[in-house]
Amino acid sequence: SQELEQSPQSLIVQEGKNLTINCTSSKTLYGLYWYKQKYGEGLIFLMMLQKGGEEKSHEKITAKLDEKKQQSSLHITASQPSHAGIYLCGATLYLRRTYKYIFGTGTRLKVLA
Amino acid sequence: NAGVTQTPKFRVLKTGQSMTLLCAQDMNHEYMYWYRQDPGMGLRLIHYSVGEGTTAKGEVPDGYNVSRLKKQNFLLGLESAAPSQTSVYFCASRRGSNQPQHFGDGTRLSIL
Repeated sequence: SQELEQSPQSLIVQEGKNLTINCTSSKTLYGLYWYKQKYGEGLIFLMMLQKGGEEKSHEKITAKLDEKKQQSSLHITASQPSHAGIYLCGATLYLRRTYKYIFGTGTRLKVLA
Repeated sequence: NAGVTQTPKFRVLKTGQSMTLLCAQDMNHEYMYWYRQDPGMGLRLIHYSVGEGTTAKGEVPDGYNVSRLKKQNFLLGLESAAPSQTSVYFCASRRGSNQPQHFGDGTRLSIL
């Protein structure tokens, strides 16, 4: 979705390296969700952020929502091959006089052993 | 825990044929969604439902119909399949408007 931009589109890292994926909107995010999709499978919910400045962690994955609630970052520490997949952000935005739930186009992550 | 179950997982159709994709959720969720996922396009919303008996159009509704006769089921129909409808279809559900979506494993549909 153009309203929700993800960067980078793809990423290849060596095992053990840290990495960051960004999700940016020109509009206020009323709820930001991170998902992971393994190749050929459905989306798995990772984390939800709602408040500006909020930060959540699960194992080696940390997600933050900036104070202005227009950008979120997903940071993976000491990446492992099991982290490989497609990461998508989803968000609730106020668009065309209604709230809509949309997704970014995803970031494809490959972790080299 | 079943969560969201989609059937079938794979299907090949000929142009002009019809079929129905079934989505079932056992979490008593109010909201249900149908998406299609295409390379470079991300997830695009086809139709959605905010409760039993209700349906609404999403971003790309043309060529599809849906029904939500029972709260736990959301059906996606293709009346006359076209090659442009070749895609991976995902169903999702969520409890409320400010909750994360739970996804099925997808249906891979090819239209020849």
